[in-house]
Amino acid sequence: EDQVTQSPEALRLQEGESSSLNCSYTVSGLRGLFWYRQDPGKGPEFLFTLYSAGEEKEKERLKATLTKKESFLHITAPKPEDSATYLCAVRSSMEYGNKLVFGAGTILRVKS
Amino acid sequence: EPEVTQTPSHQVTQMGQEVILRCVPISNHLYFYWYRQILGQKVEFLVSFYNNEISEKSEIFDDQFSVERPDGSNFTLKIRSTKLEDSAMYFCASSKRQGNQPQHFGDGTRLSIL
Repeated sequence: EDQVTQSPEALRLQEGESSSLNCSYTVSGLRGLFWYRQDPGKGPEFLFTLYSAGEEKEKERLKATLTKKESFLHITAPKPEDSATYLCAVRSSMEYGNKLVFGAGTILRVKS
Repeated sequence: EPEVTQTPSHQVTQMGQEVILRCVPISNHLYFYWYRQILGQKVEFLVSFYNNEISEKSEIFDDQFSVERPDGSNFTLKIRSTKLEDSAMYFCASSKRQGNQPQHFGDGTRLSIL
């Protein structure tokens, strides 16, 4: 069974204090790893898709990387508006459809 | 930027009643999904839908659940006889096609069963 584990559960940063979020996964053949941002009371907002080990994607202060067992979401010089829950999800090659399996998320709080 | 819209934002229903949650996916998307998130828990897959039929469903999606695309724009989730444990946020999502295309989510319907 596909599994996704995210750490830490919660992270508090000062504005400008860079850090990384971790997503470890176990799947029967990875067909995509997805990062989403979720604000309170809202749906997940798509950030990145990563397909293969070594791949990197960047968007503003966020950079996602992928290895064969885990992905990292690096946040450089975060601002208070980066506060949100960051979700990682995987799609397995063993599944016919497009089912995403989500991790529990990391709650990020950035204080000014 | 086009987005997935869901109505209502909050639905309160008595246990045992039927409820229909509505979604308008992004217009050029072909694949549609329902997920749910019980308070404090992970987002869980319910069902995927393509070409007017279910392409995959989870164990959660039992005979009490059904989905429908009644016209060219709407996608609905029906729960026939609601239970207390059906209380959750229900998210609709859509994607352009299969493969590694990202799924785009609506802001959800909060379903409260009394």
